[in-house]
Amino acid sequence: EIVLTQSPGTLSLSPGERATLSCRARQSVSSNYLAWYQQKPGQAPRLLIYGASSRATGIPDRFSGSGSGTDFTLTISRLEPEDFAVYYCQQYGSSPRYTFGQGTKLEIK
Amino acid sequence: QVQLQESGPGLVKPSGTLSLTCAVSGGSISSGKWWSWVRQPPGKGLEWIGEIYHSGRTNYNPSLTSRVTISVDKSKNQFSLKLSSVTAADTAVYYCAREGVGGYSYGPWGQGTLVTVSS
Repeated sequence: EIVLTQSPGTLSLSPGERATLSCRARQSVSSNYLAWYQQKPGQAPRLLIYGASSRATGIPDRFSGSGSGTDFTLTISRLEPEDFAVYYCQQYGSSPRYTFGQGTKLEIK
Repeated sequence: QVQLQESGPGLVKPSGTLSLTCAVSGGSISSGKWWSWVRQPPGKGLEWIGEIYHSGRTNYNPSLTSRVTISVDKSKNQFSLKLSSVTAADTAVYYCAREGVGGYSYGPWGQGTLVTVSS
């Protein structure tokens, strides 16, 4: 099982600032197989990034993904009030086919 | 625009079987995508349960495989989850989701349904 570790656990920033969220895998992950989700309270997760760096339909360009191998990053260039939420990374592998990181909570400072 | 909607009992007794259905609208379940169940215990992270293809082929999380069955009903454009021998640890919001456009990810998702295991 590929374990994903996200850091930091909580990130406190102000609107307009830049957010950098990390996702580290215990084993190498193909870039095609790494995705990021945003989840707000009481809502289902929303796909932001797939294939490590491709934005899903309708996702603003302030969201970007990068990385390869074992280290991946989600960057939000300028935080909007609606961006404060929990973010999960997810990888596709062999067994189980999908695993998620434990999440990073992005909160307003 | 494909939409998914979970339905089923919100309360299940310990040792019983949890049964949920995901109705798909705005698209066909035979569209060549995988269809999945993911759960989230209250205040915790996401756990992948398993997935099914319209052919009936399935993949399950090894941690749940002995208790999980996912099935598809193409005539009703829906798929279902059964989880047997449930305990309080199975209390969670259960989401259904479709494989994303780019593959290897999920989107769209259903709104989720809370299932509580309690006597």
